[in-house]
Amino acid sequence: DADVTQTPRNRITKTGKRIMLECSQTKGHDRMYWYRQDPGLGLRLIYYSFDVKDINKGEISDGYSVSRQAQAKFSLSLESAIPNQTALYFCATSDLTASSYNEQFFGPGTRLTVL
Amino acid sequence: GDSVTQMEGPVTLSEEAFLTINCTYTATGYPSLFWYVQYPGEGLQLLLKATKADDKGSNKGFEATYRKETTSFHLEKGSVQVSDSAVYFCALSDPNTPLVFGKGTRLSVIA
Repeated sequence: DADVTQTPRNRITKTGKRIMLECSQTKGHDRMYWYRQDPGLGLRLIYYSFDVKDINKGEISDGYSVSRQAQAKFSLSLESAIPNQTALYFCATSDLTASSYNEQFFGPGTRLTVL
Repeated sequence: GDSVTQMEGPVTLSEEAFLTINCTYTATGYPSLFWYVQYPGEGLQLLLKATKADDKGSNKGFEATYRKETTSFHLEKGSVQVSDSAVYFCALSDPNTPLVFGKGTRLSVIA
């Protein structure tokens, strides 16, 4: 089984709808992240969490919110989806140890289309 | 703040050609450096990493050396294969910040 899973893998929705993307991990990592990927723009950080009680905004948090329900779960919500939020969304995890150096492990991605 | 600049693509090579993808960084501390690869339709996976100056990371025939004096971490492979076609991301990490990624370089290898 995959260490970092994302659901759904694909989603098509309409403008104004509320959408939740979910991420679960079995790696036991404290740190979790949400990124979006757009062609030619690389990965941009939306939100990150270094432990269950910690939530931090990233580069492009406007229009998004997150919830860290447990160490293993980190959800991303779009309260009112708009077409320019059409993108590929990735969840990632990491753990800072002497051997990992904060290496991040990525989920398979969720392709979101907002019509 | 910290930043990563990598060469823009796309890069198109013939099979068995030599590959270099340039990556330079700006950081206030002593970050760890990473190369990630994204194959079509997949998420990112770690290709190699280096954690201190002069370290060489290597994996699957790819290599990159952490050069503090030139703030660079260029990715190289002596003989690329069609299966190396992917998007490559350079990234850096300070212990208490998320990874900072470059914009990615798309590599296409033709037979």
